[in-house]
This record gives sequence, C-alpha cells and structure tokens, in this order.
Amino acid sequence: ESVLTQSPGTLSLSPGERATLSCRASQSVSSNYLAWYQQKPGQAPRLLIYGASSRATGIPDRFSGSGSGTDFTLTISRLEPEDFAVYYCQQYDDSPPGYTFGQGTKLEIK
Amino acid sequence: QVQLQESGPGLVNPSGTLSLACAVSGGSISSGSWWSWVRQPPGKGLEWIGQTYYDGYAHYNPSLKSRVTISVDKSMSQVSLRLSSVTAADTAVYYCARHSGYCFGIWGQGALVTVSS
Repeated sequence: ESVLTQSPGTLSLSPGERATLSCRASQSVSSNYLAWYQQKPGQAPRLLIYGASSRATGIPDRFSGSGSGTDFTLTISRLEPEDFAVYYCQQYDDSPPGYTFGQGTKLEIK
Repeated sequence: QVQLQESGPGLVNPSGTLSLACAVSGGSISSGSWWSWVRQPPGKGLEWIGQTYYDGYAHYNPSLKSRVTISVDKSMSQVSLRLSSVTAADTAVYYCARHSGYCFGIWGQGALVTVSS
C-alpha cells in the first residue's frame, strides 16, 4: 500500500505570498490518480485539483498542481484570506482498489 | 446539481453497530458514479472507508473490511453505511461522497458519530 507524506505539516505565510505544498508517495502514482482538496473548519473537503494538474470546476486559477511519479506539488500563486485552510492530497490504488489521503498541510496566516 | 445529506444516530454504544444513510438529491443514484464513505476523527485526517457502485458492487478499506457494509437503495436514492463492533476509535465525522473519476467531486456536509456509553 502506497503512503502519502505531505510537507510541511504547517505553513505560515501572509496574504499575497506564494504557497508551495508537497505530497510525496512511497510508490509511483499515475498522475491520473492524484488529487488535492481544501478543507476549512467545520466544512467538508472541497476538490481543488484532479489528475495531478487539472482544476476542478469553479476553482480559481491561482491554484495549480504539478508533478509526476512520487512527487507532487500544489501551488497557490498569490494567497487570498480565504485560502488559509488545511490541504490534503489523495491517491487511488488499483490493486486492490482503494484510496488514501496524506496527513494534511495546515496553511495558516503569518 | 447533485447534493448529498448524511443522517443517522449521533451516539452509538461501544460494541454496537453504526448505521448512516446518505440521501442523494438533484441527480440519479444510478448515473454511473461510484459512491464512497470517508471519515475524519476529531482533529485528525481523512480515511477512506469504502465505495459502492449503483449496482451494489463494493470495495472496502482492508483495515475496516471485516466490519463494514456499504449498500445502495435505488428506490430511496440512498447510500448506506454499516460499521459493526465499534469502539471509541470509530468516533468521527462521516462523509459520503460522489466520485468524479478517481477522486471525490461532491461531498455531503458530514455527520458526527460518537461512540460512547
């Protein structure tokens, strides 16, 4: 079973700055199978990025995803106040079929 | 737009069975999508529990497989979760979600279930 490790655990930045969040897999992941979510307190996660680099419907273009193999990145180009939240990466394994999440990165206001 | 709404008891006794329902509205449960349950213990991360197709074909997280059943009731447009032999470690917010490819595109608001006597 592939494990996803996100870093850093907490990222402290100011509005307007650029955020770079990392997700590393213990085994190679097909880019089609890697997604990113944003979760705010008391809310369900929201899909941001699927297929490693495709933005979900309604997601602002300041959010971008990249990477392949075992290393994936979520970048927020210019932080808005509403972007401070917890971010999770997620992968799909097809043998056996299943999904795993990273432990999350908390993006907090500096 | 498809919407999901979880419902069920908020308190379950240890060793009992947790049962939740997810009502699907705004679209057909037989639309060809997979449906999953995901849980989140208080203050912790996300854990996938399992998924089902509208025809009842299901896959489960190996760590929970012996205790979990996920099913579809097409007549009620509902996806159900049953988790048996629960302990305090099963206390969590339980979400249902509709798949979008290999990820979860639509989520319910979640239901907090506490395991305690």
